[in-house]
Amino acid sequence: SAVISQKPSRDICQRGTSLTIQCQVDSQVTMMFWYRQQPGQSLTLIATANQGSEATYESGFVIDKFPISRPNLTFSTLTVSNMSPEDSSIYLCSVEGSDNIQYFGAGTRLSVL
Amino acid sequence: GENVEQHPSTLSVQEGDSAVIKCTYSDSASNYFPWYKQELGKGPQLIIDIRSNVGEKKDQRIAVTLNKTAKHFSLHITETQPEDSAVYFCAASIGGGGADGLTFGKGTHLIIQP
Repeated sequence: SAVISQKPSRDICQRGTSLTIQCQVDSQVTMMFWYRQQPGQSLTLIATANQGSEATYESGFVIDKFPISRPNLTFSTLTVSNMSPEDSSIYLCSVEGSDNIQYFGAGTRLSVL
Repeated sequence: GENVEQHPSTLSVQEGDSAVIKCTYSDSASNYFPWYKQELGKGPQLIIDIRSNVGEKKDQRIAVTLNKTAKHFSLHITETQPEDSAVYFCAASIGGGGADGLTFGKGTHLIIQP
């Protein structure tokens, strides 16, 4: 299994500002993923982050809006840039555990005013 | 890309009865199908998964069936209990496990009536 800590757990931000979300894992993992879950909706993959390489973004998500860092095998950050109310969502980090299963953090609940 | 459809969106059952949630997928290359349970204010937790070389898998009160020909898979919960109330998501990927991003269904809000 894998234990994932996300910070902050929630935040309220003003439009036009940026927020960086941190994801810390209790073990070294190769694959880390970032998802968005809009209110009452399903999860949508934003990007896949491997250590030492650029993140791979899904259709509809761009690096300028959601820059991702992956400095080592236990940590990643996702920044939501130049926020608008439409960015209000839950942002979730997940990792592939050693058992080939994806584990999720509790998420960061973002509200943009 | 992959598209996963999930039904129903809401399911209400009496405690002790069975619940069935169904999903279909579009990409025949998909070979990994996990089910997640999400409780209010928490991240999704894996409850069971199945890979394409298996037709059925069971873990106590929970079972998943897979029909690759028809491209659909289902979650079965027997003897439902109040703590089963949550949102359940099906998902699919082509990576054979957790190494690839998952495509999720829209979720089913399961309500267990006492």
